[in-house]
Parts: sequence; C-alpha cells; structure tokens
Amino acid sequence: NAGVMQNPRHLVRRRGQEARLRCSPVKGHSHVYWYRQLPEEGLKFMVYLQKENIIDESGMPKERFSAEFPKEGPSILRIQQVVRGDSAAYFCASSPGQGNSNYGYTFGSGTRLTVV
Amino acid sequence: KNEVEQSPQNLTAQEGEFITINCSYSVGISALHWLQQHPGGGIVSLFMLSSGKKKHGRLIATINIQEKHSSLHITASHPRDSAVYICAVIRMDSNYQLIWGAGTKLIIKP
Repeated sequence: NAGVMQNPRHLVRRRGQEARLRCSPVKGHSHVYWYRQLPEEGLKFMVYLQKENIIDESGMPKERFSAEFPKEGPSILRIQQVVRGDSAAYFCASSPGQGNSNYGYTFGSGTRLTVV
Repeated sequence: KNEVEQSPQNLTAQEGEFITINCSYSVGISALHWLQQHPGGGIVSLFMLSSGKKKHGRLIATINIQEKHSSLHITASHPRDSAVYICAVIRMDSNYQLIWGAGTKLIIKP
C-alpha cells in the first residue's frame, strides 16, 4: 500500500445523521490535510493535522465538523447532523513534512458524501 | 477575483494535438502543483514546481515566477488524457495550504 487510503468511497446519509470519513496516510507521513470539493466547484482547504494535533482548522465550519489524527489509526473527519449542503467529495492528502516546496502531497481517491 | 485562475475552462481537441493549459496566480507562492482528476475519481499529483520546467513522459510543466504564470503542456494527446487538470499553489505565507484553481476540463476525441 503506497498511497493514501480513504474509506468509504461513497457514503449516503440521511439528514441529521453522522458521517465519519477515514483517511490512512502514506506510511511514514505524519501530516494530513482535508479538502472539500462541492459540486461544480474547486477544492477548498478544511483542516491540517499532525499526529494528535490540529495545526490549522481555519477552513472547517465551526459547528458540526471535527477532525482528529490519533497516535494510532487513521485520521477521521466527522460531520454531525448532516445537512444537504454537506454533500460533496472530501479528499485527504498526506505529506512527510509540512507541504511546502520541499515536500509534495499524495492524495486519496476521496469520499463522496451524499445527504438525502 | 480568485487568487488562482486557469484557462481555458473547457478544452476539446483531436487526438494527437498539442495541448496547453494556463494558470495565473496573484499571490506570492513557494510552489505550484499541477494535478489531474478523472470524473468521479481521485486526484493525482502530476508536478510540483518552484521554478523552471519539468517533464514527465508526454507532460511538460513550466513556471515563470516573475510573471506569476505556469503552463501545462501535453504532447501527442490521447483520449486517455481526458480529465480535469487543476493548478494549485502554496502561498508563501502559508507554507502548506493549497489554493486551488477551478480546473480545466479536457476532452480528447479519437
């Protein structure tokens, strides 16, 4: 497994339910980034995490959304009480160091969330 | 005005044609990425550039830091190149946050 693994690939939730999106970074990568792609729009930054720390969550809505990257296990993006407007593709990326000009990113295949 | 602008938004060409996709940005950057996204698919990083030119197979990416402009070229295009090509930059003051262009939807007809 050389890449970023995201699961599930597709997730359908009813309004008001919780959605949990998982991201396993490339082995050895300790930096994880979540991006959201709304239909017909470009990607937007949500949150940047290192192991056990949230570095920057400036792109994440203040309510209902949370993210974690525990010492063991995948990074989780959690959306509580989902609404139709949360329907989007959520992409995770990882890098071995902070993703500046020294390190590139590896992206996952995304989780497509549909709220019905 | 978006910080990263791509042109064209849509591009349809015949197999074998030389393709150019442009990206202009308005902020200071530490690096620029070109990425590819197939319909319903994941995102694949093609190039990361901070200066000059890079080549991989039939793909060439160039960047002019002074003019704040980058181009992605595809030589001898093929239908399997059909995808959305996205330009994204890392702002110099952010050091990690990617600012994304809207993408260029490329269709190569056989």
